[in-house]
Amino acid sequence: GESVGLHLPTLSVQEGDNSIINCAYSNSASDYFIWYKQESGKGPQFIIDIRSNMDKRQGQRVTVLLNKTVKHLSLQIAATQPGDSAVYFCAETRPNSGYALNFGKGTSLLVTP
Amino acid sequence: SAVISQKPSRDICQRGTSLTIQCQVDSQVTMMFWYRQQPGQSLTLIATANQGSEATYESGFVIDKFPISRPNLTFSTLTVSNMSPEDSSIYLCSADGGSGYEQYFGPGTRLTVT
Repeated sequence: GESVGLHLPTLSVQEGDNSIINCAYSNSASDYFIWYKQESGKGPQFIIDIRSNMDKRQGQRVTVLLNKTVKHLSLQIAATQPGDSAVYFCAETRPNSGYALNFGKGTSLLVTP
Repeated sequence: SAVISQKPSRDICQRGTSLTIQCQVDSQVTMMFWYRQQPGQSLTLIATANQGSEATYESGFVIDKFPISRPNLTFSTLTVSNMSPEDSSIYLCSADGGSGYEQYFGPGTRLTVT
């Protein structure tokens, strides 16, 4: 079936470097994508979203890029900090199913000093 | 954004019993959702709960096993019935943000069935 998946299960970066977390999606009809951050023992925290009619959206230290041609989504975190260590999930809306979300497998980001 | 709380935060239950998880939102929301997350894995949607209508269940989840209530615009419950060890998981509720597709999550309920 349709799925959302991540290229890398774990990512280790040094504090201060930029991080890039990737996500591939297979449903070309998805019209909305969200990145979530989940720290240990907590629920997912909304980071940033992007609609399918956009290529790029920026937030505070984060940027999401959407490439619809290759069905690829990425989350860029600038000047990564130890507090950014968490699991990151991408999620997409399901076409014709209202607001239900499909979640990807998750990437664990570890920021080392 | 909505602030969501869940009770209990964790529980250890015996097989064959049932547990009801409560989800409270600090504002009125149209849609609430229930997810299951195995440790170290992704989230799987169990059902969508809109106030005033029956919950909509995803493939693989049935009302007899996971009955859901949505009595008003700020509250929902999920019951895990006749539990088995396979039901051990983290159960999360979420609610729509009111201005789009974004969903905000509660802290989760960690359930262990022995």
